[in-house]
Amino acid sequence: GQQLNQSPQSMFIQEGEDVSMNCTSSSIFNTWLWYKQDPGEGPVLLIALYKAGELTSNGRLTAQFGITRKDSFLNISASIPSDVGIYFCAGQKNTGNQFYFGTGTSLTVIP
Amino acid sequence: GAVVSQHPSWVICKSGTSVKIECRSLDFQATTMFWYRQFPKQSLMLMATSNEGSKATYEQGVEKDKFLINHASLTLSTLTVTSAHPEDSSFYICSARGGGAETQYFGPGTRLLVL
Repeated sequence: GQQLNQSPQSMFIQEGEDVSMNCTSSSIFNTWLWYKQDPGEGPVLLIALYKAGELTSNGRLTAQFGITRKDSFLNISASIPSDVGIYFCAGQKNTGNQFYFGTGTSLTVIP
Repeated sequence: GAVVSQHPSWVICKSGTSVKIECRSLDFQATTMFWYRQFPKQSLMLMATSNEGSKATYEQGVEKDKFLINHASLTLSTLTVTSAHPEDSSFYICSARGGGAETQYFGPGTRLLVL
């Protein structure tokens, strides 16, 4: 199946720093989702995006639906230790279809 | 809202036995449920999509006779790993979609270890 490419693959940052990660595809998607997964747990939905150009925030997290509809970005401001985890993007081409998942970005926050 | 549960969270079994994993949407009706498999430090691999009352659609390379999926109601889907072998050991996660939203909510996962 199709897989979305996430960048960077892993990040090691100092507490308090801002974080940026992105997700790209060769195909157009109409819905983008961002999830966070802690070790041994299922992914938890962070932000959902439904419109090209849309910018949506959830606390310190902000995600954007790329204008080309082939990418999406997630930013985390003022990182804290509990932000540690793996972040996955997921894209859906058409309503009712499956979501394709990204390769994941592993985030480590150093206190 | 949008809570999905899985049971059991951990299962250890002997090779050759069958294991059933349940996935329930607790506060919404899930018209569609998905089953994923995840290996350590890797992304989620979609195994199959199930719609309530109909046969599951399996992804290429996933044996439908080995991974039996039943979606008998709008709140319950089950995955049965038949004649499990050590290579079936993995983290299995379900997700559910419903309530009119184009989002997926994941269960907490089930870790399967086949000895």
